[in-house]
Amino acid sequence: DFQMTQSPPSLSASVGDSVTIICRASQSINNNLNWYQQKPGTAPRLLIFGASSLQSGVPSRFSGSGSGTDFTLTISSLQPDDFATYYCQQSYSTPPTFGQGTKVEIK
Amino acid sequence: EVQLVESGGGLVQPGGSLRLSCVASGFTFSSSWMHWVRQTPGKGLEWVARMRSDGSVIGHADSVKGRFTISRDNAKNTLYLQMNSLRVEDTAMYYCARVQRSGGGWTFDFWGQGALVTVS
Repeated sequence: DFQMTQSPPSLSASVGDSVTIICRASQSINNNLNWYQQKPGTAPRLLIFGASSLQSGVPSRFSGSGSGTDFTLTISSLQPDDFATYYCQQSYSTPPTFGQGTKVEIK
Repeated sequence: EVQLVESGGGLVQPGGSLRLSCVASGFTFSSSWMHWVRQTPGKGLEWVARMRSDGSVIGHADSVKGRFTISRDNAKNTLYLQMNSLRVEDTAMYYCARVQRSGGGWTFDFWGQGALVTVS
């Protein structure tokens, strides 16, 4: 199975800050990398697919980049609604696998 | 509006069985690959099973193979997960998720609200 490693596990930031979350795959997954946001008590919500494509309805302050094994999710100008846990997921190989998550908390 | 509504979760003893259902609406269910994904505080998000739109391709995670079975009824717009020989470690929130294909890749673009399964 392809292992997905996210860092950091958690971070504290203020409204208006720019934050970057890293996701690393154990082997090359080309650009088959997706990002999700999850708030407590709710299902994950798709933010980014294909490493850098913004899902319809997602604010443009979210962006993704990378290919191969190294990927980033950037949130520019953090908003109160963005405090949540973020997960990466590879769809290159079966079984699809997820990172352990990065919790973004209010400083 | 796309909706996925799971049901069938609950409390069951080790060795018992449950069947989860996921009723879909707002899209052409019979054209969509569908998956089950579960989530626990300890292990995070874990893929469980998948099924192609017409049921011709099926896959299960090694951790549930031989115990869980995914199925679907396209006439009823419903996805199922039959869970037998349940173990304590199967305790989780179970989500059904729709697949969106784009370019050469795919992603989970819609998720249900989840069904909680507790094995104790």
